[in-house]
Amino acid sequence: NAGVTQTPKFRVLKTGQSMTLLCAQDMNHEYMYWYRQDPGMGLRLIHYSVGEGTTAKGEVPDGYNVSRLKKQNFLLGLESAAPSQTSVYFCASSYSPPNNEQFFGPGTRLTVL
Amino acid sequence: AQSVAQPEDQVNVAEGNPLTVKCTYSVSGNPYLFWYVQYPNRGLQFLLKYITGDNLVKGSYGFEAEFNKSQTSFHLKKPSALVSDSALYFCAVRDITSGAGSYQLTFGKGTKLSVIP
Repeated sequence: NAGVTQTPKFRVLKTGQSMTLLCAQDMNHEYMYWYRQDPGMGLRLIHYSVGEGTTAKGEVPDGYNVSRLKKQNFLLGLESAAPSQTSVYFCASSYSPPNNEQFFGPGTRLTVL
Repeated sequence: AQSVAQPEDQVNVAEGNPLTVKCTYSVSGNPYLFWYVQYPNRGLQFLLKYITGDNLVKGSYGFEAEFNKSQTSFHLKKPSALVSDSALYFCAVRDITSGAGSYQLTFGKGTKLSVIP
């Protein structure tokens, strides 16, 4: 049981480049989330999904897109990376909220030059 | 709207002493409250949660938290700190009465706990 996994672990991009972050979970969770963590800011929700084929915006969705084609996978895309998107990105999953805890992946450290 | 405040950026405590990490929250209805811990270069790990019932909640690694509705607080406590408890701690809240936003968990900015040998 791997839990929540994220690939890649590290990435450096140049401004304007695109990339996709992959999150996978093997706990059969319905809900999946993408957060970004910045120093002194805590975690902020980018997008989330309540089930296969569904996505919704979180607190800071601009500049990001997501897809949930399979229940176990949640992809986060950056179409045209900007230095402001330099951050650590965490994926999480959970059973149906509101009272179920989220399980987090190890994170992806992204630097945009 | 829901919000969480962790008033201390850093807490230092001597090994063996009791520790407290503070958290206050604001919701329009009743809250679900969570504590998570983050070790360096790792994802967040769930410690404990308050849903309803007993105001004192016990969690992993000997941690506990006390829900105080009148003070809108949910402080994390441990009777005897270990060096291995040194980490970043996050409080989080969800308002159970919110509609479309009910899936969103709002995190505090985190408190760095340093346990000194």
